[in-house]
Amino acid sequence: SAVISQKPSRDICQRGTSLTIQCQVDSQVTMMFWYRQQPGQSLTLIATANQGSEATYESGFVIDKFPISRPNLTFSTLTVSNMSPEDSSIYLCSVERGFSYNEQFFGPGTRLTVL
Amino acid sequence: SQELEQSPQSLIVQEGKNLTINCTSSKTLYGLYWYKQKYGEGLIFLMMLQKGGEEKSHEKITAKLDEKKQQSSLHITASQPSHAGIYLCGAGANAGGTSYGKLTFGQGTILTVHP
Repeated sequence: SAVISQKPSRDICQRGTSLTIQCQVDSQVTMMFWYRQQPGQSLTLIATANQGSEATYESGFVIDKFPISRPNLTFSTLTVSNMSPEDSSIYLCSVERGFSYNEQFFGPGTRLTVL
Repeated sequence: SQELEQSPQSLIVQEGKNLTINCTSSKTLYGLYWYKQKYGEGLIFLMMLQKGGEEKSHEKITAKLDEKKQQSSLHITASQPSHAGIYLCGAGANAGGTSYGKLTFGQGTILTVHP
């Protein structure tokens, strides 16, 4: 399995501010994903972040709101910009890794509350 | 787009009882993943199925993918309070190779196990 850490684990933020979430993996991985889990809901993919290229965003998510960086094969950041209470969610990063590169592992998540 | 439906949505069982959770897809499943989530936390990878008819077990949990690759089941034998949580199935977007890509998730099944 992959060891994935996220920072911060949780935060309470004011409306209109921005928060950057970090995702660190214990080894090099090609594909990283950022998901959002709104209260009581399942996971929704925000974007795919591959090193050396711009992130690919899913329908309903835009770069201006959720800018992503992927500077190397072990690290990525997701910024939630100009936050509103509707952004209150758990944000999770995941990586694809395994002998056949098909297993996906998730980080512990960042619980964000926007007041 | 692919949709996954899990049943039941919630399940309450007495400790020691067996239980089954189902995940049904509208399309062929490529890379079917099962995860467990404790409330407000990250996802714990349980197992992944790729081939029609495949079955995998880990401790008291067994997952199967049917021959037609449109339905998977997760079976827990002799349930314990430690099995309580939210169980999520996820399906890969791609047909395989070295990457199943992003995952689409079911809505989750909430499992409660009473001592």
